[in-house]
Amino acid sequence: DQQVKQNSPSLSVQEGRISILNCDYTNSMFDYFLWYKKYPAEGPTFLISISSIKDKNEDGRFTVFLNKSAKHLSLHIVPSQPGDSAVYFCAAGNSGGGADGLTFGKGTHLIIQP
Amino acid sequence: EADIYQTPRYLVIGTGKKITLECSQTMGHDKMYWYQQDPGMELHLIHYSYGVNSTEKGDLSSESTVSRIRTEHFPLTLESARPSHTSQYLCASSGLSSGVKEAFFGQGTRLTVV
Repeated sequence: DQQVKQNSPSLSVQEGRISILNCDYTNSMFDYFLWYKKYPAEGPTFLISISSIKDKNEDGRFTVFLNKSAKHLSLHIVPSQPGDSAVYFCAAGNSGGGADGLTFGKGTHLIIQP
Repeated sequence: EADIYQTPRYLVIGTGKKITLECSQTMGHDKMYWYQQDPGMELHLIHYSYGVNSTEKGDLSSESTVSRIRTEHFPLTLESARPSHTSQYLCASSGLSSGVKEAFFGQGTRLTVV
């Protein structure tokens, strides 16, 4: 039972355009959401996060939107650059006591085309 | 820059051998995790630790074991490697006092059992 779903295994976007990566979750206890970026043969690196008290968080070219009623979040990258080509993982967690780690989606492979 | 290190980066080993994957962090984080990832699949939590002498099993059943004798060190051991253990193993850490927040990952160990 996948609690965090990324339904697009891959996404191809032209350089300079907007990349939109989507993520859905089912567990209502999740109140903290993160995006990680992963290059081949490397560990994931933290990109941006959002807590459930917000509906938007922005950091440079990256913006994460959270729609709690729909249990949906998205990552927007504007403008997309060649170095953005990587696998992006959505992750969710509970910031309450006893948290035992993050639940990750399967990832979306973003390909930025020149 | 996250200071969490995994060795070896790559390991090819024969069936039945005992192996230990090393993970060390210099950030003083209380919580440490081991995730397993197969290509195209999500990251699965297999072990975690809240601190010294604390170890718990994660969501995905694993034949591996872990220990946490020192805050900075969280090794994972397979007593008898099998081809089904072939995967990428990712170690991560986070600060307990800040709740879940972001976890910092090592570069991973790509294990191949032949």
